[in-house]
Amino acid sequence: AQRVTQPEKLLSVFKGAPVELKCNYSYSGSPELFWYVQYSRQRLQLLLRHISRESIKGFTADLNKGETSFHLKKPFAQEEDSAMYYCALSGRGFQKLVFGTGTRLLVSP
Amino acid sequence: GAGVSQSPRYKVAKRGQDVALRCDPISGHVSLFWYQQALGQGPEFLTYFQNEAQLDKSGLPSDRFFAERPEGSVSTLKIQRTQQEDSAVYLCASSLGPGINNEQYFGPGTRLTVT
Repeated sequence: AQRVTQPEKLLSVFKGAPVELKCNYSYSGSPELFWYVQYSRQRLQLLLRHISRESIKGFTADLNKGETSFHLKKPFAQEEDSAMYYCALSGRGFQKLVFGTGTRLLVSP
Repeated sequence: GAGVSQSPRYKVAKRGQDVALRCDPISGHVSLFWYQQALGQGPEFLTYFQNEAQLDKSGLPSDRFFAERPEGSVSTLKIQRTQQEDSAVYLCASSLGPGINNEQYFGPGTRLTVT
């Protein structure tokens, strides 16, 4: 079975502080990991995926297969980063996304 | 054009009523997914269509839940004899086609409240 764990329900930081949203997964196959974001009153949207190795809005995430983690990081948080962040997993042989419970990031001025 | 749309956006049903939730995917998208998101939880997979074929319905919680996509575009999720535990946001997503590299685009969701 596949599982995604996001241990923090809420992460509160000040503007300019570094941010790390934790994500751990459980999957015996070769995983595909994603971060989705939901801003207030907006729909869920893809932020980044591990295969693209991109930095989106200053966020990066590295897949660590040894630790089965895919933590999301940003060196300097901005107020507009405040949102719900969901880590999600997919893999060969299944099309669905398996989501974690989400972390609310609150960036204060 | 427009993204994934869902209707209604909000639905209140009395326990025992049947409801139908509609999803209009992005034009040309082959794959369509339904997810259920309970309060404080992440979205949970319900079912998956490739064109009109329902290839995975392993996430449907009971036989009261039924989904269809008869012409390979619009999809309807039907819940019969609604129960309070069915209260959730129902999300629809579509993607260009099968393959884990294809991004899923989500609709705004339908918030179902069963009283």
